[in-house]
Amino acid sequence: NAGVTQTPKFQVLKTGQSMTLQCAQDMNHEYMSWYRQDPGMGLRLIHYSVGAGITDQGEVPNGYNVSRSTTEDFPLRLLSAAPSQTSVYFCASSKGGVQYFGPGTRLLVL
Amino acid sequence: EDQVTQSPEALRLQEGESSSLNCSYTVSGLRGLFWYRQDPGKGPEFLFTLYSAGEEKEKERLKATLTKKESFLHITAPKPEDSATYLCAVQRSGNTGKLIFGQGTTLQVKP
Repeated sequence: NAGVTQTPKFQVLKTGQSMTLQCAQDMNHEYMSWYRQDPGMGLRLIHYSVGAGITDQGEVPNGYNVSRSTTEDFPLRLLSAAPSQTSVYFCASSKGGVQYFGPGTRLLVL
Repeated sequence: EDQVTQSPEALRLQEGESSSLNCSYTVSGLRGLFWYRQDPGKGPEFLFTLYSAGEEKEKERLKATLTKKESFLHITAPKPEDSATYLCAVQRSGNTGKLIFGQGTTLQVKP
């Protein structure tokens, strides 16, 4: 039981490049979410999903896309990276209200 | 607007010196209040959920309590391995699962 896994662990992008952050969970949780964590800002919700085929925006969705084709996977896409998207990104899955977090992806946009 | 404020931002303790971390919240109907621990370079790790005022939960040297406006995380006789950032989050009633996080308290326990 791996829990929530995220890849890559670290990524450097140039402004304007696109990429996908991968997130997978093996706990059969319906609810999954993406957060970004910045110094002094805490964890902020980007997008979330209550089940396969259903996604919605969180607090800071601009510049990010998500899809949920399976229960297990919830990828986060950066369409055109900007320096303001430099951050640490965490994926989480939830059951009974408790969210279980992945190890994070550290993204640097130059 | 739902809001979570944690204090202090940083706390330094000597080993064995007990203290408390505060989490004040404003939410229109509380479904649950969550405490997480986060070590450097890692994802948050779940500690406790509290659902109603007066509820308390304990785990080793940690005890979490809840009132209608705030929650406390009491640390009794801390050890250096308790050093971490402690995050508080609230979930609103009727919400599908979204959490609103505070900014965290970074605890350093010196031997």
